[in-house]
Amino acid sequence: NAGVTQTPKFRVLKTGQSMTLLCAQDMNHEYMYWYRQDPGMGLRLIHYSVGEGTTAKGEVPDGYNVSRLKKQNFLLGLESAAPSQTSVYFCASSYSRTGGRETQYFGPGTRLLVL
Amino acid sequence: ILNVEQSPQSLHVQEGDSTNFTCSFPSSNFYALHWYRWETAKSPEALFVMTLNGDEKKKGRISATLNTKEGYSYLYIKGSQPEDSATYLCAFEVREYGNKLVFGAGTILRVKS
Repeated sequence: NAGVTQTPKFRVLKTGQSMTLLCAQDMNHEYMYWYRQDPGMGLRLIHYSVGEGTTAKGEVPDGYNVSRLKKQNFLLGLESAAPSQTSVYFCASSYSRTGGRETQYFGPGTRLLVL
Repeated sequence: ILNVEQSPQSLHVQEGDSTNFTCSFPSSNFYALHWYRWETAKSPEALFVMTLNGDEKKKGRISATLNTKEGYSYLYIKGSQPEDSATYLCAFEVREYGNKLVFGAGTILRVKS
């Protein structure tokens, strides 16, 4: 049981390049989330999904797209990377069939540097 | 705009000291408060999910209390050990955005042996 895994662990991009971050969970969780973490700030929600085939915007969605074609995977895409997207990206998942108040399980993070 | 504040920002203690941190959050529309422990280069690890005013939860030497009426939670560590060194995050759960978590910036704890 691997929990929540993220690929890649670290990446350097040039401004304007695109990339996809992959999150996978093996806990059969319904809800999945992408957060970004910047120095001195709390984690902020980028996009989330409440089930396979659904996605929705969080607090800071601009410049990112997501897809959830399979229940266990949640992909975060950067179409045209900007230096402001340099951050650590965390994926999380939760069971959430009871409507909340449940632990969100986090992946180890992806460090992204945009030059 | 929801604001979750944690204090202090960082803390250095000696092995064996007991310590506590504060998390302040909006007292209206409370739903749940989460505490996480986050070691560098690892995943944030859930400690507690607190839902009721007056809740007290304990896990080994770590405990937490909750006051939803005044909007604060305390995390206590009794007899700190070097392995307790980490960033401690609190997060306020909201019912919108798929039950998203609004995180504080964290308290960095360093325990010297």
